Amino acid sequence: AQTVTQSQPEMSVQEAETVTLSCTYDTSESDYYLFWYKQPPSRQMILVIRQEAYKQQNATENRFSVNFQKAAKSFSLKISDSQLGDAAMYFCAYRSRETSGSRLTFGEGTQLTVNP
Amino acid sequence: GAGVSQTPSNKVTEKGKYVELRCDPISGHTALYWYRQSLGQGPEFLIYFQGTGAADDSGLPNDRFFAVRPEGSVSTLKIQRTERGDSAVYLCASSARGGTGFLNTEAFFGQGTRLTVV
Repeated sequence: AQTVTQSQPEMSVQEAETVTLSCTYDTSESDYYLFWYKQPPSRQMILVIRQEAYKQQNATENRFSVNFQKAAKSFSLKISDSQLGDAAMYFCAYRSRETSGSRLTFGEGTQLTVNP
Repeated sequence: GAGVSQTPSNKVTEKGKYVELRCDPISGHTALYWYRQSLGQGPEFLIYFQGTGAADDSGLPNDRFFAVRPEGSVSTLKIQRTERGDSAVYLCASSARGGTGFLNTEAFFGQGTRLTVV
């Protein structure tokens, strides 16, 4: 079974600064997807960025980028030019590409605070 | 619909009662998932439907939990003899299809139902 670990329960950043959220995972599979989701107080999970394991190039979406280290099983999220609207709970998630069903396995989450 | 809709938004019930939680997925999405999110935790998988059938129900914690999707669209999660430990946010997600492919398997989430068992 796969596991996802987020070792930072809380993080804070000053507005306009950069912050990095950590995620590690454990799997015996070689083909999978990794995701970062944002969950504001509205509870709706919003996809921030995704990475395919077979791609060496790190994914980027505007101010959001990842550092994917497959051998180390590490998948960190960098948020640049932080904005007040980035404040939320962030979840790292894993999905197998080798088995059907596509369930997501989530980490415990990191609560991000953005200070004005 | 425009997004995944879950009703009710909040539900308070007494211990031992039966509850039903409803999920209305994005129109045309064949895959539907239920997750449970306890306070301060990440969501945990409960069950996955592909069309009308439950393709994977290995996440259901016990036989008090059951889910249906009779017409391949709306799904209902049913909990019998509720216990205080069932209190959580129940999230529903849908995707265009299941399987292992990438482009059509992005999951879109609803806003969840917060269930409180008193």
